[in-house]
Amino acid sequence: DIVMTQSPDSLAVSLGERATINCKSSQSVLYRSNNKNYLAWYQQRPGQPPKLLIYWASTRESGVPDRFSGSGSGTDFTLTISSLQAEDVAVYYCQQYYSPPLTFGGGTKVEIK
Amino acid sequence: QVQLVQSGSELKKPGASVKVSCKASGYTFTNYAMAWVRQAPGQGLEWMGWINTNTGNPTYAQGFTGRFVISLDTSVSTTYLQISSLKAEDTGVYYCAGDREPVGSGSYFFGYWGQGTLVTVSS
Repeated sequence: DIVMTQSPDSLAVSLGERATINCKSSQSVLYRSNNKNYLAWYQQRPGQPPKLLIYWASTRESGVPDRFSGSGSGTDFTLTISSLQAEDVAVYYCQQYYSPPLTFGGGTKVEIK
Repeated sequence: QVQLVQSGSELKKPGASVKVSCKASGYTFTNYAMAWVRQAPGQGLEWMGWINTNTGNPTYAQGFTGRFVISLDTSVSTTYLQISSLKAEDTGVYYCAGDREPVGSGSYFFGYWGQGTLVTVSS
């Protein structure tokens, strides 16, 4: 199974400042034949189901604000919130879909400082 | 618009069974696979398995075989998760999650989520 490790477990960021979340996979999730990274990011606000933010490591889902961006390749990935807003308080998860079983990172809780 | 509406919360005793439903609307049900994801209290997300809504063929993650059955009824665009011989450790919120890409794409990430169903197992 591919193990997804997120860091940090939690972070507190001031409004308007940048938040950076890391995700590392135990093996590469880059599929060479199409040069795509099989990596998604989700946001889960308190009491809500998860919401898809990013897929293919860097493609923003329709309707997601452009302050959210994804980067990285192979085994190391980053979700960046360029200017934290109050509504971004949530837990963020990465997920690999390179090979079953699909696996999620442990989550990173983002709070306001 | 796409909607996944799940059945309501359940309180069950150990050893009982539960069947959670997830009704889809707003898209062609058989074009997108459906997965089930568990979230234990205060914990992260765990993929349980999925079902090919075209063929009806389910696939289960290790740890979710035997007591767990994923099924569907295409006539009512509904997916089901049945858990038998319930244990206290089955307590959690169960989400259905619709694939963002069409069946057969080979990629499984979830663009649509149900609201979640809390299953509590307690004597």
